[in-house]
Amino acid sequence: ILNVEQSPQSLHVQEGDSTNFTCSFPSSNFYALHWYRWETAKSPEALFVMTLNGDEKKKGRISATLNTKEGYSYLYIKGSQPEDSATYLCAFPPSESGGSNYKLTFGKGTLLTVNP
Amino acid sequence: DGGITQSPKYLFRKEGQNVTLSCEQNLNHDAMYWYRQDPGQGLRLIYYSQIVNDFQKGDIAEGYSVSREKKESFPLTVTSAQKNPTAFYLCASSPFLIRDVSYEQYFGPGTRLTVT
Repeated sequence: ILNVEQSPQSLHVQEGDSTNFTCSFPSSNFYALHWYRWETAKSPEALFVMTLNGDEKKKGRISATLNTKEGYSYLYIKGSQPEDSATYLCAFPPSESGGSNYKLTFGKGTLLTVNP
Repeated sequence: DGGITQSPKYLFRKEGQNVTLSCEQNLNHDAMYWYRQDPGQGLRLIYYSQIVNDFQKGDIAEGYSVSREKKESFPLTVTSAQKNPTAFYLCASSPFLIRDVSYEQYFGPGTRLTVT
């Protein structure tokens, strides 16, 4: 099983603060990186699927970057709002899966709490 | 609305009993998955299915069984052989259009199983 690390484990910020967190993964045989947001009492929902080194994706105030050579992705939230409070998960398919998404390996997540 | 349903939301069973968790999707997705979440751990893959009448073991399949008789349905049975069945179980699905392309996964609301 691959080692997907997310840091920090948890984060408390004030409303309006910008924040970021990290997902680290083995850089060899990279296929794709997924980011999901999981709000309490809801289902996880996909934010981004990133495939290219240097890729940058944006959805509203949330953006993500990808560095496949060094094996990390950053997720940024600009001007955090209380509704951004959630666990943010990253995941990617191990190389033995042939790059398909069938065997996504998930990190433990970063729990973000945005205080009003 | 398209989506994934899991039932029931909460399930209680006595030790030694088998229990089946339901997962239904109307997204017309070929691939379906079962994950387990335990406190302090990332989502771990139990079983996955790429197509009807076919499924593969994930990372923690021991003590579980699945079937995929219909595209829309992927029930998971937690057998008495599963040593620590109490957990939160999530079902997910994704398209399978092009092999080696990583598609985002769509998750159900989960079932919390408690075995005493």
